[in-house]
Amino acid sequence: EPEVTQTPSHQVTQMGQEVILRCVPISNHLYFYWYRQILGQKVEFLVSFYNNEISEKSEIFDDQFSVERPDGSNFTLKIRSTKLEDSAMYFCASRILSGATEAFFGQGTRLTVV
Amino acid sequence: AQKVTQAQTEISVVEKEDVTLDCVYETRDTTYYLFWYKQPPSGELVFLIRRNSFDEQNEISGRYSWNFQKSTSSFNFTITASQVVDSAVYFCALRPGGSTLGRLYFGRGTQLTVWP
Repeated sequence: EPEVTQTPSHQVTQMGQEVILRCVPISNHLYFYWYRQILGQKVEFLVSFYNNEISEKSEIFDDQFSVERPDGSNFTLKIRSTKLEDSAMYFCASRILSGATEAFFGQGTRLTVV
Repeated sequence: AQKVTQAQTEISVVEKEDVTLDCVYETRDTTYYLFWYKQPPSGELVFLIRRNSFDEQNEISGRYSWNFQKSTSSFNFTITASQVVDSAVYFCALRPGGSTLGRLYFGRGTQLTVWP
C-alpha cells in the first residue's frame, strides 16, 4: 500500500542551525501539507502546497520556515534558524484530490532543538 | 471560526469494555468533512474514517462505529469490545469545505488506555 515517507525519523540540532525535513508523498497525490505536534499537544497546521506554490499557511509558518518541491517526488520543510520552541513532531501529509478525500500522513520526524 | 473539541483528555477501560470518544465541532461552512485519526505509541497518524457533512448515515467497521449528528455538531467514535491494541491517542479533525486545499483542524485528542 502506498505511503507517505519522512526522513529522518529523529533529528537533533543545535539552536540557530538550519534543518531540512524531507518527505516523499504518495506518488499520484497533488496536495501536500506540513503539520506539527508539540509533545502532548494537538496537531497544528503549518502549510499547504499545490501546483508548486504555497496555498495557505498558518501564523506559525513565519519567515523562518520554507517549503519546496525540488523534484517530482520530494517535498521539504526547511527551518532556517531553529529555536528551542521548534522542538516537535513534524508530519507531512498528502492528498489525491480536492473535495471528499482524506489526507494520509507520514510517520513523522521528531525534531529536538538543544 | 473552525474548532474541534474533544472534552475527554484521557479514558481508561478494561479489555472488552465498550468505549465512546466524543467529538464536537464548530464551523460556519455548509459543506465540511470530519475525520478520525489514531496515533499509536509509535507516533504516526493513521486515518480511520472520513464523513461528509451531507451524509449523516452512521458507519460501522468491525468493532468501530461512528455516530454523526449535525443537530448537535457531534461526531462520536465508539469502540466495541476494546482490546489492548486500541490503546492510542485518537484525534477528531475538521476540514471546512470552503477551501479546496482544506487544512485540517484537530481536536486535542483523547488518550485511550485499554488494560488487560
